[in-house]
Amino acid sequence: RKEVEQDPGPFNVPEGATVAFNCTYSNSASQSFFWYRQDCRKEPKLLMSVYSSGNEDGRFTAQLNRASQYISLLIRDSKLSDSATYLCVVMPGGSYIPTFGRGTSLIVHP
Amino acid sequence: GAVVSQHPSRVICKSGTSVKIECRSLDFQATTMFWYRQFPKQSLMLMATSNEGSKATYEQGVEKDKFLINHASLTLSTLTVTSAHPEDSSFYICSAGLEGNTIYFGEGSWLTVV
Repeated sequence: RKEVEQDPGPFNVPEGATVAFNCTYSNSASQSFFWYRQDCRKEPKLLMSVYSSGNEDGRFTAQLNRASQYISLLIRDSKLSDSATYLCVVMPGGSYIPTFGRGTSLIVHP
Repeated sequence: GAVVSQHPSRVICKSGTSVKIECRSLDFQATTMFWYRQFPKQSLMLMATSNEGSKATYEQGVEKDKFLINHASLTLSTLTVTSAHPEDSSFYICSAGLEGNTIYFGEGSWLTVV
């Protein structure tokens, strides 16, 4: 089983739609969780950290379920500019070495 | 603005030659940097951890003699792909942690070996 698993997609949605991605991780000692966004042929950029209590940033909501070992990302009112690959990133406690999921591709069409 | 700069962004080289990629931390010192490789539609795979003033730590399956890493200063790490072959063509990217667990990536380097 891979350490961090994501559905690669692509998720093809119309503008204005709500879309959700999940990511599962195998290391129960993982302490830090992030969602990164990667545009085609570009470096990943931090979208948001994921906290145990869940957190929201505008149209984006991230949640963590430690018992089931998964994190989620919800995007509301999708924009064309949201089209990208979303990477799930997990880090064990006390480590600066992250483990990346393979990413979920989102395509938002008019 | 960028806090980690990587150069070159794109490079094409002939089989058998060597290519050097630079990763610089801007405005901060990085005792540790990381090198990743990403094939199309695949996740970032950690190749090695670059430690300033000491040898890099390579991940399993990564040939240290082929991917030479030098971290001679607190702001510069280099990755040299030696005797490059077409299968080495990939997206190479470096990163450095700054505060807490925030990861800062370089812009990445596209290597094409012909």
